[in-house]
Parts: sequence; C-alpha cells; structure tokens
Amino acid sequence: AQSVTQPDIHITVSEGASLELRCNYSYGATPYLFWYVQSPGQGLQLLLKYFSGDTLVQGIKGFEAEFKRSQSSFNLRKPSVHWSDAAEYFCAVSSGGGADGLTFGKGTHLIIQP
Amino acid sequence: NAGVMQNPRHLVRRRGQEARLRCSPVKGHSHVYWYRQLPEEGLKFMVYLQKENIIDESGMPKERFSAEFPKEGPSILRIQQVVRGDSAAYFCASSPSEGLVQETQYFGPGTRLLVL
Repeated sequence: AQSVTQPDIHITVSEGASLELRCNYSYGATPYLFWYVQSPGQGLQLLLKYFSGDTLVQGIKGFEAEFKRSQSSFNLRKPSVHWSDAAEYFCAVSSGGGADGLTFGKGTHLIIQP
Repeated sequence: NAGVMQNPRHLVRRRGQEARLRCSPVKGHSHVYWYRQLPEEGLKFMVYLQKENIIDESGMPKERFSAEFPKEGPSILRIQQVVRGDSAAYFCASSPSEGLVQETQYFGPGTRLLVL
C-alpha cells in the first residue's frame, strides 16, 4: 500500500526567508506526486504535480518541488516566503495519476513570522 | 467557470440523524471523489464515482455510508444514523472525463459536519 509521510507538523519561517517542506512516500512503482495547499476553512488548491520527465517541477505562487527517487522524496521549496503563504500544506501520492484516490500525508502547518 | 461546489458548507446533526452532503463537479467533469478530513489529520480517500457507477469504494466505512453520482444532478454522500465520530470535513473533488492518466483532481471547499 502506498503511504506519505510529512515529518514536520509545524514549521515557522520568517517572511522573506526560504522554505523547504519535506515529503517522503512509499510506493512500489513510479508514483504520481502532488502538493496541495489549504487555507483555513477552505478547500485544497493544487500547487504542482509530478508525473514524469524533469524531476524539478515548477508550480504556482513561486513554489517548486524536486522528485528524488533514490530518497523517495518530493520536497516542496520556495526561495522567499510571503505572509500569505501561511497555510496547511499536503503532499499526496497516487498510483493512477489522479484517476484514482489520492493518498495524503498528514500535512505541515506553515507559520510565517513578520 | 465555476469550480467544484459543495453544499451545505456547514451541517449540524444530532446523533442518529441522517446527513446528506452534495457535490457538483466542475462542468464537464464526470469523475467525482469523496474524502474525509478528521481534525489534525490529512484527507482520507473514501470513494470514487463516475456517472451512475461506483468505481472504487475501498475507503468507505462498511455501514451507514453510501454515495451516488446520478446521470443528472450532483453527487450525494449520505451518512445514516450519524455518530459523533462522523464529525469531520468532507471534501469532494472532480476530474475530467477523458480517461487520461495525467488528470488533476480539483477540490471543493468542503462540508464541515458536526454531530452533537
């Protein structure tokens, strides 16, 4: 069975500083990987996805993620965070690329310090 | 373009009552997914439906929960005889109908169910 681990429950970053959110997955074949963001009381918005090809994926809002098969990781990065980035971030994996149910991590709560 | 719509946004039920959650997918999408998010948890997959068919219900509790996606109208997640443990946020997502592997799921704003 596939699984996703987000080791950090909370992360606090100063505004303007760089950010890296960790995600490790467990899946036997090549996974399809996603990062979603959830603002309080809202639904999930897709930041980026990896299906194949270039292992460095660019997303919306200045985010990027790198797929590292050797480390079973798909960490999310942003060079300079803004106060509006404060939210809950979820990493997810699918075996069917989205044509089946996603398996989510428990999320990382990002706090931005002024 | 309207995104995925869910209603109600908030629902309060007493133990033993029925809860009915509705999801209207993005126009043109014929795949619908339901997820449940418990407090401080990630989303858990419940069921995947196409029009008039349940494709995968491996995440659905065996009792009291059912889902449908009729030919016309929204998808419905129905919870009978609710218990306090059913209190959660329920999210619906939809994806296009082309059947391609590389499909993105678009999420609705969720329904927050509170069972008293």
